Amino acid sequence: EAGVAQSPRYKIIEKRQSVAFWCNPISGHATLYWYQQILGQGPKLLIQFQNNGVVDDSQLPKDRFSAERLKGVDSTLKIQPAKLEDSAVYLCASSLDYRGEAFFGQGTRLTVV
Amino acid sequence: EDQVTQSPEALRLQEGESSSLNCSYTVSGLRGLFWYRQDPGKGPEFLFTLYSAGEEKEKERLKATLTKKESFLHITAPKPEDSATYLCAVRRGYGGSQGNLIFGKGTKLSVKP
Repeated sequence: EAGVAQSPRYKIIEKRQSVAFWCNPISGHATLYWYQQILGQGPKLLIQFQNNGVVDDSQLPKDRFSAERLKGVDSTLKIQPAKLEDSAVYLCASSLDYRGEAFFGQGTRLTVV
Repeated sequence: EDQVTQSPEALRLQEGESSSLNCSYTVSGLRGLFWYRQDPGKGPEFLFTLYSAGEEKEKERLKATLTKKESFLHITAPKPEDSATYLCAVRRGYGGSQGNLIFGKGTKLSVKP
């Protein structure tokens, strides 16, 4: 079974630039999560989708972050404009439903300079 | 406030030296406690889910246990390949924002040959 796919693996941008991350969840998984992991910390939820609807985006900095999940499958997370403190690993995860265990992708390491 | 605390932050063991990692939590209405392993530069890898006090699960040299306030990850006769950061996460409920996982900061385990 294929796992959660994310791209790109690494990205370096200057502050105030924009960046987008892509995620393809495990086939058939209805729930999709985006997490931010700062070095030395545990992952922190940014947004949770159930199919193509948003369940929780309470910790998403909506003035600069946006996310969408078209047709309830792939998802993109965008940052515009980026700040230095956005430097982190962005992890995508999926689960069969909202009760199941979450499986994570390899993550995208973002460096903002 | 819902909280997950892991201890110790770092643990160094000699190969074959058994030990335990701790995850204490304060959430109202636990709907699952999850253990993950994270290797450098990779996303978290799912290990176990525990749902009720007294439950235990095993996988190779790892055994996870759960009480009403904490969980332990016991590592028996560890090998260098067990070196990783171990993350604990809890789910508070099934509906809406309660369904997402709240992570601790992790315990970084190093096993020396």
